[in-house]
Amino acid sequence: LAKTTQPISMDSYEGQEVNITCSHNNIATNDYITWYQQFPSQGPRFIIQGYKTKVTNEVASLFIPADRKSSTLSLPRVSLSDTAVYYCLVGGPTGANNLFFGTGTRLTVIP
Amino acid sequence: NAGVTQTPKFRVLKTGQSMTLLCAQDMNHEYMYWYRQDPGMGLRLIHYSVGEGTTAKGEVPDGYNVSRLKKQNFLLGLESAAPSQTSVYFCASRPAVTLLRDYAYNEQFFGPGTRLTVL
Repeated sequence: LAKTTQPISMDSYEGQEVNITCSHNNIATNDYITWYQQFPSQGPRFIIQGYKTKVTNEVASLFIPADRKSSTLSLPRVSLSDTAVYYCLVGGPTGANNLFFGTGTRLTVIP
Repeated sequence: NAGVTQTPKFRVLKTGQSMTLLCAQDMNHEYMYWYRQDPGMGLRLIHYSVGEGTTAKGEVPDGYNVSRLKKQNFLLGLESAAPSQTSVYFCASRPAVTLLRDYAYNEQFFGPGTRLTVL
């Protein structure tokens, strides 16, 4: 089960773009990368998932280089409501994979 | 759709007492999971199930038991609660893998959590 490394915390001003990088040096061929967001006293919420190159949805973008040993979650123009913990997970498509959350990155958006 | 619900929302136990946490999902998902989250920590997997009648151990299974008698329900039991089991418990579910383009789409849906205190 591939594990991940993320910064413990980040601060950003409102309106800025925020990039959170996750390292996963031992990622396997079948593994994909998933990001979750968690607000205090709530369960995590799925943000985005990808396997290679770039994925974009209405909330964020996910950049994955060719070697797939890292990935970057990009949040455009953050607001105060984006203050949360962000988790990067790496795992395969079956069984209990993709279930190691780590400690995540605590993002604080400052007015 | 209610999504994933958890019962109860809060509970205080004394050491040695037993209790069962109930997780229910109305999305017809195959996979269900129980996690615990301690203050300032990420989620750790306790047990999981890949289908009705099946269960498996996760990262921290000791002191817990689970059952999946019905597809929509996943029960987490504490037979003899200990203060070390004070935590917030989250249940999650997800559908069977759907292959989408270059990767498998695999989103877990989480419940609101149960805050358990063991004195």
